[in-house]
Amino acid sequence: DTEVTQTPKHLVMGMTNKKSLKCEQHMGHRAMYWYKQKAKKPPELMFVYSYEKLSINESVPSRFSPECPNSSLLNLHLHALQPEDSALYLCASSQGTGLNTGELFFGEGSRLTVL
Amino acid sequence: GQQVMQIPQYQHVQEGEDFTTYCNSSTTLSNIQWYKQRPGGHPVFLIQLVKSGEVKKQKRLTFQFGEAKKNSSLHITATQTTDVGTYFCAGINQAGTALIFGKGTTLSVSS
Repeated sequence: DTEVTQTPKHLVMGMTNKKSLKCEQHMGHRAMYWYKQKAKKPPELMFVYSYEKLSINESVPSRFSPECPNSSLLNLHLHALQPEDSALYLCASSQGTGLNTGELFFGEGSRLTVL
Repeated sequence: GQQVMQIPQYQHVQEGEDFTTYCNSSTTLSNIQWYKQRPGGHPVFLIQLVKSGEVKKQKRLTFQFGEAKKNSSLHITATQTTDVGTYFCAGINQAGTALIFGKGTTLSVSS
């Protein structure tokens, strides 16, 4: 199994809603990532979890709250988002970490629209 | 801070023509990776280059890593319509903690 599975594929939410994006991998990877991608832009790193611990938070607003319940799961909790937060949210995993990161395996993404 | 730049931003070619995208870093990279993202899709890993001056080939794709490990290129010979998409280079950030993507080159191919 070489897949990273993300749910939901599409999400529309209001600015007062609370929702969560979910990501799962069963490759035994030690690092998991959240990236945000706006149209015609590169993926922008948000969070890195290494061995289930948050190792990087790229100055992401607190309305985005990551959670790593176990080594296979990664969640992104969303609350009080703004319309400019509308984007494709990509989850990824890798066997290695840091300088030995190696290949990133991306999920298909969750396309979020904030009204 | 560290920057990974790519040129050109967009490239349109006729099917059968060659295509090259260039990636430059402001700092020395421990390694560089290349990804392809089809329209409406997600990034898919193509290759990783580690050694100074390394050249790797995958069918019609040729990847190079510069001698100073600060630049890289991807060359596609005789493009096909299936090559359409955005090609990103990516390098580990200065802290050595995560992969940072270049801005990408979007390739369109007309038959």
